Amino acid sequence: DAGVIQSPRHEVTEMGQEVTLRCKPISGHNSLFWYRQTMMRGLELLIYFNNNVPIDDSGMPEDRFSAKMPNASFSTLKIQPSEPRDSAVYFCASSFSRGLEQYFGPGTRLTVT
Amino acid sequence: SQQGEEDPQALSIQEGENATMNCSYKTSINNLQWYRQNSGRGLVHLILIRSNEREKHSGRLRVTLDTSKKSSSLLITASRAADTASYFCATDLVKAAGNKLTFGGGTRVLVKP
Repeated sequence: DAGVIQSPRHEVTEMGQEVTLRCKPISGHNSLFWYRQTMMRGLELLIYFNNNVPIDDSGMPEDRFSAKMPNASFSTLKIQPSEPRDSAVYFCASSFSRGLEQYFGPGTRLTVT
Repeated sequence: SQQGEEDPQALSIQEGENATMNCSYKTSINNLQWYRQNSGRGLVHLILIRSNEREKHSGRLRVTLDTSKKSSSLLITASRAADTASYFCATDLVKAAGNKLTFGGGTRVLVKP
């Protein structure tokens, strides 16, 4: 199994631009999670899906952030417009069942200048 | 403090020594998990201990759980330079919806050769 796949691995963009991060979970996993990690705030859960349905998006910082999961094998996290304070590493993780171990992707390092 | 707080925040030891880190939480859990994160990488699941278990081993890792004190410890025996990483505890809360885990702030471990 290839594990959780994220793209791009690095993204550098200018303030105001739209950014789209992509994730392919492990086949057969029914839960998908988006996290953001910074030195100041640590690892924050942004949103998670069960069976492609968003369950809890309370961690999404503001309306500039949106996430979709159109099918079981693909999810996107979009930031529009991006701001310098959005600079962070964004991780996608997937899980097979309730409360069991999560498998993390390699992350996308986003830099907004 | 947040659910899943690790202590200490940082730890520096010599190769061959044991490393112990602790995690405290506030509300009832179904299970508690430990993850490792190497610099620039995603988190990797190490071990899961259920609320009805008190101790669990995996190779050089030993995890204990004391639900009366709402705390867990992770012991790495005979540490190696490759154990240098950040270690996070994550709790599956009884009242949490879906498969959501709550991560702590992590303990940074440096193993000096």
